[in-house]
Amino acid sequence: EPEVTQTPSHQVTQMGQEVILRCVPISNHLYFYWYRQILGQKVEFLVSFYNNEISEKSEIFDDQFSVERPDGSNFTLKIRSTKLEDSAMYFCASSEGTSGRDEQFFGPGTRLTVL
Amino acid sequence: AQSVAQPEDQVNVAEGNPLTVKCTYSVSGNPYLFWYVQYPNRGLQFLLKYITGDNLVKGSYGFEAEFNKSQTSFHLKKPSALVSDSALYFCAVRDQKVDTGRRALTFGSGTRLQVQP
Repeated sequence: EPEVTQTPSHQVTQMGQEVILRCVPISNHLYFYWYRQILGQKVEFLVSFYNNEISEKSEIFDDQFSVERPDGSNFTLKIRSTKLEDSAMYFCASSEGTSGRDEQFFGPGTRLTVL
Repeated sequence: AQSVAQPEDQVNVAEGNPLTVKCTYSVSGNPYLFWYVQYPNRGLQFLLKYITGDNLVKGSYGFEAEFNKSQTSFHLKKPSALVSDSALYFCAVRDQKVDTGRRALTFGSGTRLQVQP
């Protein structure tokens, strides 16, 4: 069964450093997403990406964040200068994209720890 | 704005008994509703969704959910719980009324289901 994969599973970084979280969405999917879950809190939407551009973003997704699809398979989330409050589990997801009713398929997550 | 409430942080049920995990939602239009399950150190796994039509939706692993428009609820149910069902369950909503290019799901805070042997 196809699945979304994410690397690394755990990333530890120093405050102020740049991090790149990587995702490989399901191959025939057209919409890609990033969500995050701060420990003990809700899963929160960050951004969606379609046709090589951001289609929607939340208030959390400020100028410190960027997304990119550098090739035909990877989808990345970059945080330019990490803050302590960026520590969270980051989930990548993808959906077929043919309709807004499509379910989103999530990867296992990357746990980001900012020290 | 769209929102979801899961009023119970934890639900405890004995193996073999029926289980219900509650979810209520708020949207301006009609909802798309989803249930996901999260096992330890794993991502969110899709269980089932309500789009339109029959109010009772059947999903993976014997789970089902009942859509009730008047009560704005979408409770997750299973007739006979298994110990292996113990996990964190998330309800999510998307308002059908918004631009179809906007796909963000809004999640509830999650309910931990504990099934005792």
